[in-house]
Amino acid sequence: NAGVTQTPKFQVLKTGQSMTLQCAQDMNHNSMYWYRQDPGMGLRLIYYSASEGTTDKGEVPNGYNVSRLNKREFSLRLESAAPSQTSVYFCASSGRGYTEAFFGQGTRLTVV
Amino acid sequence: GDSVTQMEGPVTLSEEAFLTINCTYTATGYPSLFWYVQYPGEGLQLLLKATKADDKGSNKGFEATYRKETTSFHLEKGSVQVSDSAVYFCALSVMNSGYSTLTFGKGTMLLVSP
Repeated sequence: NAGVTQTPKFQVLKTGQSMTLQCAQDMNHNSMYWYRQDPGMGLRLIYYSASEGTTDKGEVPNGYNVSRLNKREFSLRLESAAPSQTSVYFCASSGRGYTEAFFGQGTRLTVV
Repeated sequence: GDSVTQMEGPVTLSEEAFLTINCTYTATGYPSLFWYVQYPGEGLQLLLKATKADDKGSNKGFEATYRKETTSFHLEKGSVQVSDSAVYFCALSVMNSGYSTLTFGKGTMLLVSP
C-alpha cells in the first residue's frame, strides 16, 4: 500500500542549482498536485494536473515547472533555485469525482 | 476566491481536556470540508470530511459538523490524548469538471501534556 511516494525526502541546493522532485501514485488517480508548506502559511498550491496530459498553475507557480509524465507520475522542477524556495513540498493525488486528496510524506528542501 | 480561516495556535491542553479548533470558510459553490492532521515529520492524513450541509464527519473521537448558515466546520474532541499532539488543517474543495483542488487554512498546532 505505497499510496503517494515522493523522492527525495531531503535535499540541500545551492542558489542557482536545478533539481526535479519526483512523485508517483499507485491508486490510479486522475488528478495530482504539488503544494508547498511554509511556517504560518498553511499549504499553498503550486501546480496541479487534473488529468494525464494537462497541467495548470496554482496559487504560487513562479519559479517552478511541472511534467505529468504519465498517469502515475507528476514531477516538479526548480530550474534555478532561490532561498525563497526553501520549504517542504508535498505531492498529492485524488480520484475522479472525489474531493479528498492523499498526500506523500514530503520533501524538505533547503536552498542556501 | 475560496479561503479558510482557522484559529491560530498553539493550543495547549492537558490530557483528557475538551478540544475545539475553530474553522470558518468562504467559498463559491458548494464546497466539501475536511480536517487533515499532520504528525511531526509526516505528510497530511485525512482525519474527517463532510460533503454537504448538516453532515457530521467523525473519526478517532474527533467530530466536525458542516454548518452552512455560519460557514463553519469546527473540530471537537471530548477527551484529548498526548498522541493527538499534531498540526490540524481545515480545508475545503469545490468540484469542477470532475476534479478539485484543496484550499487550506494555516494550520493549528495542538500540544497535549500528560
